[in-house]
Amino acid sequence: EAQVTQNPRYLITVTGKKLTVTCSQNMNHEYMSWYRQDPGLGLRQIYYSMNVEVTDKGDVPEGYKVSRKEKRNFPLILESPSPNQTSLYFCASSSPGPSSNEQYFGPGTRLTVT
Amino acid sequence: AQSVTQLDSQVPVFEEAPVELRCNYSSSVSVYLFWYVQYPNQGLQLLLKYLSGSTLVKGINGFEAEFNKSQTSFHLRKPSVHISDTAEYFCAVYPNQGGKLIFGQGTELSVKP
Repeated sequence: EAQVTQNPRYLITVTGKKLTVTCSQNMNHEYMSWYRQDPGLGLRQIYYSMNVEVTDKGDVPEGYKVSRKEKRNFPLILESPSPNQTSLYFCASSSPGPSSNEQYFGPGTRLTVT
Repeated sequence: AQSVTQLDSQVPVFEEAPVELRCNYSSSVSVYLFWYVQYPNQGLQLLLKYLSGSTLVKGINGFEAEFNKSQTSFHLRKPSVHISDTAEYFCAVYPNQGGKLIFGQGTELSVKP
């Protein structure tokens, strides 16, 4: 089954404790992206990757890191989480072409930073 | 730069009534347009898209949307909604020369019996 998986689905942590949210896709997509969803703000892009070893900042990259060592995986790293990073996070992937932004989304990771 | 405005944050409607969710965008270049749906506790999934051609686009679950270039709008419609259509709906644009996908703020559709 074609899918994007994220782990964990729910996470409660404390300020300053490093964490990683994993994302994996099995569709051989080149493009992968991370978004955060906040009430009234819709989805905002954090980072994206056009292919292996190619990453770039989205609209709200501060406080986040990513890596793309393999095509299928695109982990999101919070080196020192803060309460303003409490949010719902989505990973997405797509393949190039005219419909390249028909993105496939993971189920989401709800992060709470206290 | 592109931006997307969804004019209603919440739309309550009774079952079997028609519904329209409004989306306006601003862009200095041609764009592709999308509607995504997010059911409770799930990720987003594509409802329909406009890339080119006919301005009336049909999607899954009986939804359709009409691209109006002069009004820079891409409103989503369904003639008769079901309880199962209760979800959050996101309009999004992508400049067809490349760039990134920009989402609107979302519209929460609540269908009541």
